[in-house]
Amino acid sequence: DQQVKQNSPSLSVQEGRISILNCDYTNSMFDYFLWYKKYPAEGPTFLISISSIKDKNEDGRFTVFLNKSAKHLSLHIVPSQPGDSAVYFCAASRSGTYKYIFGTGTRLKVLA
Amino acid sequence: DSGVTQTPKHLITATGQRVTLRCSPRSGDLSVYWYQQSLDQGLQFLIHYYNGEERAKGNILERFSAQQFPDLHSELNLSSLELGDSALYFCASSLTPGQAHEQYFGPGTRLTVT
Repeated sequence: DQQVKQNSPSLSVQEGRISILNCDYTNSMFDYFLWYKKYPAEGPTFLISISSIKDKNEDGRFTVFLNKSAKHLSLHIVPSQPGDSAVYFCAASRSGTYKYIFGTGTRLKVLA
Repeated sequence: DSGVTQTPKHLITATGQRVTLRCSPRSGDLSVYWYQQSLDQGLQFLIHYYNGEERAKGNILERFSAQQFPDLHSELNLSSLELGDSALYFCASSLTPGQAHEQYFGPGTRLTVT
């Protein structure tokens, strides 16, 4: 049972445009969500997070939106840069469980 | 460089064998997490240790076991290996088990079972 889903395996965007990566979850008890970026031959690196008490969190070019009623979150990257080309994973956790459930990832390619 | 080290980087072994993967967390981090990433799969959470004690278990097979030692390094033991165990194994560490602190990932160990 995949509790966190990233239905788009890949996405291509022109440099300077907006990249929107989507993530859906099924467990309504999740209350903390994160996005990680992964380059080839490296481990994932933390990008941005959001608590379920918020519906938006911004950090520079990266903004995460959370729609609890739809059990959906999205990561917006504006403007997209070639260095953003990587695999992006969303993850979710529930307070007190001390574990994180990851999606299968979306490969973003930013074209120069 | 996340500060998390994993050894070895690559491991090739045969079915039925046993291997040990090692992880050293970032200095000061007390929590260690293990994940498995198979081909085209996301990161599957295996197990979490905090200050030497098991805190959470995910989809970890009975053939797999882990421990965290007093110096806080952790080992993941995989036994009776099968072809399907071939994957990237990541270790991550964080200061505490809670959501307040992000996880820092190591570069991973690529295990190939032939």
